[in-house]
Amino acid sequence: DAGITQSPRHKVTETGTPVTLRCHQTENHRYMYWYRQDPGHGLRLIHYSYGVKDTDKGEVSDGYSVSRSKTEDFLLTLESATSSQTSVYFCAISETQGTGANVLTFGAGSRLTVL
Amino acid sequence: RKEVEQDPGPFNVPEGATVAFNCTYSNSASQSFFWYRQDCRKEPKLLMSVYSSGNEDGRFTAQLNRASQYISLLIRDSKLSDSATYLCVVPRYQAGTALIFGKGTTLSVSS
Repeated sequence: DAGITQSPRHKVTETGTPVTLRCHQTENHRYMYWYRQDPGHGLRLIHYSYGVKDTDKGEVSDGYSVSRSKTEDFLLTLESATSSQTSVYFCAISETQGTGANVLTFGAGSRLTVL
Repeated sequence: RKEVEQDPGPFNVPEGATVAFNCTYSNSASQSFFWYRQDCRKEPKLLMSVYSSGNEDGRFTAQLNRASQYISLLIRDSKLSDSATYLCVVPRYQAGTALIFGKGTTLSVSS
């Protein structure tokens, strides 16, 4: 068990409001990721982090910001939510297998609805 | 060619059937490949890593064809519990250790 907790698990908000999703991990993993999953698009990378205060953009980063002030927490913020950001958001950590390959382990997801 | 491409299905098969999914990828330098399984309204979970020419885990066999740049997943003796979406996954070297996920192939096993 990679010990990944996402909060909130469900949220309904209105267009234009700020929203912050939290990802918490308990095993000191260096790499953390935020993906969104939408019908017809699959999982798409929003932002990722490779250490405290070290973050970078993924393929769908517009409208999102992230912060990582502690190893265990990776926050995803929607400064002004839009209906197009209605989605399921998954946080993930990276673990190295014995073969050297890096695999992702996901949290349970946060379902966001923007009205 | 798209980074990762899968037949979305759905594949509808009876219990006991053998079913195979294919996935093509564009980055010829990719070294590690994976199959993830995702149940409805759940997070994706690692099913199998795909090594060199292929590997087997019980009823599941994953194969890699580097020359043609595709990987496959074979499920033998399908069970009702195999009903899920299967995601083909390749590494994204431009983003740390992030992975690129295919859109998934949906399998429905019926009795």
